[in-house]
Amino acid sequence: SAVISQKPSRDICQRGTSLTIQCQVDSQVTMMFWYRQQPGQSLTLIATANQGSEATYESGFVIDKFPISRPNLTFSTLTVSNMSPEDSSIYLCSLTPGLSYNEQFFGPGTRLTVL
Amino acid sequence: GENVEQHPSTLSVQEGDSAVIKCTYSDSASNYFPWYKQELGKRPQLIIDIRSNVGEKKDQRIAVTLNKTAKHFSLHITETQPEDSAVYFCAASGYSTLTFGKGTMLLVSP
Repeated sequence: SAVISQKPSRDICQRGTSLTIQCQVDSQVTMMFWYRQQPGQSLTLIATANQGSEATYESGFVIDKFPISRPNLTFSTLTVSNMSPEDSSIYLCSLTPGLSYNEQFFGPGTRLTVL
Repeated sequence: GENVEQHPSTLSVQEGDSAVIKCTYSDSASNYFPWYKQELGKRPQLIIDIRSNVGEKKDQRIAVTLNKTAKHFSLHITETQPEDSAVYFCAASGYSTLTFGKGTMLLVSP
């Protein structure tokens, strides 16, 4: 199965700053996604990271706040912009492997605390 | 869009008992229903899934059932063990994106 890594694993940031989270996979995958998991809550899809084109955002999430890149089939970044304490969450990337349909596997997550 | 309801929010059982977690979904177009287990501080892990052309699927001590007519699916864990203690999430998908339930915290006491 694909090995998924995320950087950083955790960070503490000041309000008003931005943080870019990286997601790297050791094999080519068809679909990559970014989720947010607020403390004690479920997983909420932020966007689908489309290779070579703009991400597809879910209701309530906008590109200016959460710009996403996916330059190739193994790598994606999520930026959390102009952060506020309400952005404190775990951010997870997930992927659908090349031969799968619908199945999603998650990266280890990035724990973000905004002061 | 899809809406997934999950019950109960917490479930406490004694080791060896069975545990059942239930989910309902709203979109009749959904055709894929995975279950994830998330231990404290860890990533969600896919433990079992079912597609709409199947009514039941079993993998050792865990099983999932699906009733498409009622838009209802359930996770069954038999002979529970303390290491089954975790938060379990159900989800539903029509094409590629997943909509998650709010989760069930399962506590298995020795």
